[in-house]
Amino acid sequence: DSGVTQTPKHLITATGQRVTLRCSPRSGDLSVYWYQQSLDQGLQFLIQYYNGEERAKGNILERFSAQQFPDLHSELNLSSLELGDSALYFCASSRAISEQFFGPGTRLTVL
Amino acid sequence: GQQVMQIPQYQHVQEGEDFTTYCNSSTTLSNIQWYKQRPGGHPVFLIQLVKSGEVKKQKRLTFQFGEAKKNSSLHITATQTTDVGTYFCAGRGSGGSNYKLTFGKGTLLTVNP
Repeated sequence: DSGVTQTPKHLITATGQRVTLRCSPRSGDLSVYWYQQSLDQGLQFLIQYYNGEERAKGNILERFSAQQFPDLHSELNLSSLELGDSALYFCASSRAISEQFFGPGTRLTVL
Repeated sequence: GQQVMQIPQYQHVQEGEDFTTYCNSSTTLSNIQWYKQRPGGHPVFLIQLVKSGEVKKQKRLTFQFGEAKKNSSLHITATQTTDVGTYFCAGRGSGGSNYKLTFGKGTLLTVNP
């Protein structure tokens, strides 16, 4: 158990819909990262927050957005979902620039 | 942008054989990390290398960071079935891209008992 929690574990939805994935980092970790993992693309970095502020952006689509709240939990919002958005979404947390601790992931299926 | 290439994509070995995965970055890295993801699991941090030419060992695993800090390797001696999983390298750039880790696509290791 990494100490990072993610909900829900599984999500099945339809194209065009909007979903919210939630992440609680390890106690004391200020940085939260979101990754998308699909079979052909590996682990794609989406976005990083540090203590509530956006710190770095990766290959995040405009249909996706994220935020980190004062209690340090983070949410990833995915809208206008397409079939290709089906993937595993991981959240990770870390203390400063160091090893990242990954949560168990949310498996999103878009039908 | 920074790219991290990892080869091979797949490796199947007999238990007891050695295994190596290689990682190459398009730019000089400030450090490189290695993660292991078991089937159905999440990536788990293994190690971080920071210095040019650094070599670190963890039991049967040997990690190397190249002199130019653009490549790295992970070598497993005498593989066991517990080594099965995908091994990812992740490079952190220097300068303005310092906060972002770029993951390679991983090497999936399967071990035949």
